Amino acid sequence: AQTVTQSQPEMSVQEAETVTLSCTYDTSESDYYLFWYKQPPSRQMILVIRQEAYKQQNATENRFSVNFQKAAKSFSLKISDSQLGDAAMYFCAYLSNSNSGYALNFGKGTSLLVTP
Amino acid sequence: NAGVTQTPKFQVLKTGQSMTLQCAQDMNHNSMYWYRQDPGMGLRLIYYSASEGTTDKGEVPNGYNVSRLNKREFSLRLESAAPSQTSVYFCASSDFRLNTEAFFGQGTRLTVV
Repeated sequence: AQTVTQSQPEMSVQEAETVTLSCTYDTSESDYYLFWYKQPPSRQMILVIRQEAYKQQNATENRFSVNFQKAAKSFSLKISDSQLGDAAMYFCAYLSNSNSGYALNFGKGTSLLVTP
Repeated sequence: NAGVTQTPKFQVLKTGQSMTLQCAQDMNHNSMYWYRQDPGMGLRLIYYSASEGTTDKGEVPNGYNVSRLNKREFSLRLESAAPSQTSVYFCASSDFRLNTEAFFGQGTRLTVV
C-alpha cells in the first residue's frame, strides 16, 4: 500500500494567521489523487480539498490551498486567515487504484489548535 | 439525504463475544470501505469492496470478516472480539470513477473489555 506521512502530530496557529500542514507520500504511479480531510470533535470526516496529480495547478478552496510538488511527492495544506472553527484533526490521503479497485490510504493526522 | 449510515454508534463487548457492524449507503456507490481509527494512527483500512460481490483485504484485516450483502450494504464482523479491537470504526463509500470523494458514516465507538 502507498505510504502517507504526516510528520507534524500537532500544530498551533493564532486566529487570522496562516498555517501549513505537511504531507509526503510514496508511490510509483504517475496518475493519482490526493486529499485533505478534516475531522472535528464530532468525528465527522469532511473533505477539505483534492488534487489530481496530472494537474500542475495547485488546488484552492476559499481559505484552503495546497502546495503540490509531484517530483518531491509532497502535498502540503495551507490554511489562511485561520478561524476557531478550523481546529480539528487533519488527514492527508492518497487514492490508489489497483486490480482490486480504488482505496483511500490515510496518514496519521495532524491535530490543529487555533488560539484566539 | 442519509448518505452513509452506520449502526450501532456505540457498543461495549466482552472479550470473545461476536458482533456485526452494519453499514448502508444510498448514493448508488460501487465501492465501500471499513476503516478503524486509533489515537495517533490515523485511519487504517480493514477491508474494502470495489463492487457488489467482491471484497479485498486492506492494511489491518486480521480478526475481521466482511460481507457485501448487496450494492447498498457492507457489514463488518468481529467473530471473537479482543481488547486490541477497541477502536472507532468508520464505513465509507465512493464511486471514484465518477466523483473523487469518499463519504463517511458517523463512526462506531467499540470498546472490548
